[in-house]
Amino acid sequence: DTAVSQTPKYLVTQMGNDKSIKCEQNLGHDTMYWYKQDSKKFLKIMFSYNNKELIINETVPNRFSPKSPDKAHLNLHINSLELGDSAVYFCASSQRGAEETQYFGPGTRLLVL
Amino acid sequence: KQEVTQIPAALSVPEGENLVLNCSFTDSAIYNLQWFRQDPGKGLTSLLLIQSSQREQTSGRLNASLDKSSGRSTLYIAASQPGDSATYLCAEQTGANSKLTFGKGITLSVRP
Repeated sequence: DTAVSQTPKYLVTQMGNDKSIKCEQNLGHDTMYWYKQDSKKFLKIMFSYNNKELIINETVPNRFSPKSPDKAHLNLHINSLELGDSAVYFCASSQRGAEETQYFGPGTRLLVL
Repeated sequence: KQEVTQIPAALSVPEGENLVLNCSFTDSAIYNLQWFRQDPGKGLTSLLLIQSSQREQTSGRLNASLDKSSGRSTLYIAASQPGDSATYLCAEQTGANSKLTFGKGITLSVRP
């Protein structure tokens, strides 16, 4: 019944590794997002996809690559992980873009050692 | 530069008190203003969304207002309860399909 789900919930990995975080929404929404919440709890948009098309790409290192196989899924792949990538990553979705209410997933807590 | 500010960062009140959480934004070309709640270790839950053409929105004990001219929004919580303890974030959107810019949130603690 979960509207927006993310896996894994926790991710602990070594510097230099490559990892992926998956997100799925069963709300039938057209738009999906990735946000990063840092250690100071500041929440910032990273990417936004509408019907599998990238519409927002903030200043995010090339090591981060989103992939949307269909409009219900938006995955985040991170190459060559760095210590500063440690954060909580949230996926969200909305019906017609950010002007509609956004529904958030539970978050993925990434710790890079 | 588009900024959203929430002051104070933390607030503690006794149960039953009515309270107001403040949010200020720098971009007057606002499209909508949203209030979210975040519980520890959880994602965000949308509380209220105010379109730029609206002055306020209400849901139960919550009332959010928007004053574009002064660049301010407030979230009013009536008869606060311990279950209201959480972090409250406001976010501004300046156009259709544009990003949400979040404040850093206000962590509210309601004491029994």
